[in-house]
Amino acid sequence: DAGVTQSPTHLIKTRGQQVTLRCSPKSGHDTVSWYQQALGQGPQFIFQYYEEEERQRGNFPDRFSGHQFPNYSSELNVNALLLGDSALYLCASSLLRAGASTDTQYFGPGTRLTVL
Amino acid sequence: SQQGEEDPQALSIQEGENATMNCSYKTSINNLQWYRQNSGRGLVHLILIRSNEREKHSGRLRVTLDTSKKSSSLLITASRAADTASYFCATRNSGYSTLTFGKGTMLLVSP
Repeated sequence: DAGVTQSPTHLIKTRGQQVTLRCSPKSGHDTVSWYQQALGQGPQFIFQYYEEEERQRGNFPDRFSGHQFPNYSSELNVNALLLGDSALYLCASSLLRAGASTDTQYFGPGTRLTVL
Repeated sequence: SQQGEEDPQALSIQEGENATMNCSYKTSINNLQWYRQNSGRGLVHLILIRSNEREKHSGRLRVTLDTSKKSSSLLITASRAADTASYFCATRNSGYSTLTFGKGTMLLVSP
């Protein structure tokens, strides 16, 4: 039973560039949430995708966008990168389908993004 | 924004001792969860306690929840060097399925 996977593991970009991070949820899960974790801080919620739509969004600018595919995998895109976007980006999957929803979120190992 | 505040920020103990971490939060919750994170990697779910529960056990873990004080505690008994990690509390607010995390407690267990 595959857990949550994320790619790439590490990424170095320069200011102004764009980046795409990828996540595959745990088998059987239908919902993907993305979190940003700055050094020394707790994860902060970016957005959540369910049924290929953005279901909820945290306090992040429009430079952060995402997508969910029919196989439930998801992408996080960040445009016009800033130095402050350097962080660990975590993907978490869960089950939201009515009658089967779970409260526990399973996290992937994260993608460490460095913006120079 | 952070919902919870963990206390202490860092804790250093010897193997075999108990470790207690506290978490306070601000709004009404559906449940509260504790996660562990090793070396800045992915989070591992430890235990979940619902708003109508007061105490829960899982192996060497004991979690309490006081909704009147909006606080929770995580007790790790008979700690091991392998328990060295950062521990986060996360709340699920009523009506939402996403989690709001605190800043975490760094636990160091020395052999």
